[in-house]
Amino acid sequence: EAQVTQNPRYLITVTGKKLTVTCSQNMNHEYMSWYRQDPGLGLRQIYYSMNVEVTDKGDVPEGYKVSRKEKRNFPLILESPSPNQTSLYFCASSLLAGGNEQFFGPGTRLTVL
Amino acid sequence: GESVGLHLPTLSVQEGDNSIINCAYSNSASDYFIWYKQESGKGPQFIIDIRSNMDKRQGQRVTVLLNKTVKHLSLQIAATQPGDSAVYFCAEKESGGGFKTIFGAGTRLFVKA
Repeated sequence: EAQVTQNPRYLITVTGKKLTVTCSQNMNHEYMSWYRQDPGLGLRQIYYSMNVEVTDKGDVPEGYKVSRKEKRNFPLILESPSPNQTSLYFCASSLLAGGNEQFFGPGTRLTVL
Repeated sequence: GESVGLHLPTLSVQEGDNSIINCAYSNSASDYFIWYKQESGKGPQFIIDIRSNMDKRQGQRVTVLLNKTVKHLSLQIAATQPGDSAVYFCAEKESGGGFKTIFGAGTRLFVKA
């Protein structure tokens, strides 16, 4: 089944404890992206990657890191999480960087205490 | 900065009626406008897109209208069904600058049986 998977789906952590949210797609898509969703703000792009080893900042990159060593994986790293990073996170992919149809993962709900 | 917004946060329609969800945008340089549907507990799902040089595009039971003069976008759903209940996001994308997609805050559609 063609899909985008994220792990974990739910995570409660404490301030300052490094964490990684994994994202994997099995559709051979070139473009991958991370978004955070907060009430009343819609989805805001954190980072994106147009291909392997190519990543760039979105609109809200502060406090996050990403890597794209393989085409299928695009992990999101929070080196020192803070409470303002409590949010619902979505990974998405599209066939090409210019593709309008992004396929989204199921989301990861992160709570930072 | 540029933003994509929505006129109404919630919309309630009777099953079988047509729904119209509106969206205002401000970036005249956007090349594409996209609609996504997000059901409870799931990631957004692509519905339809329209290129900036078009004013209308139809899909299955959905029609997107683009009025560049007033920077307005709408999604029309024909014969609304209970399964259409969801949050709908409009988004805009500019081909330059890394193909960033900017989402609006969303409109929640309730379908009354």
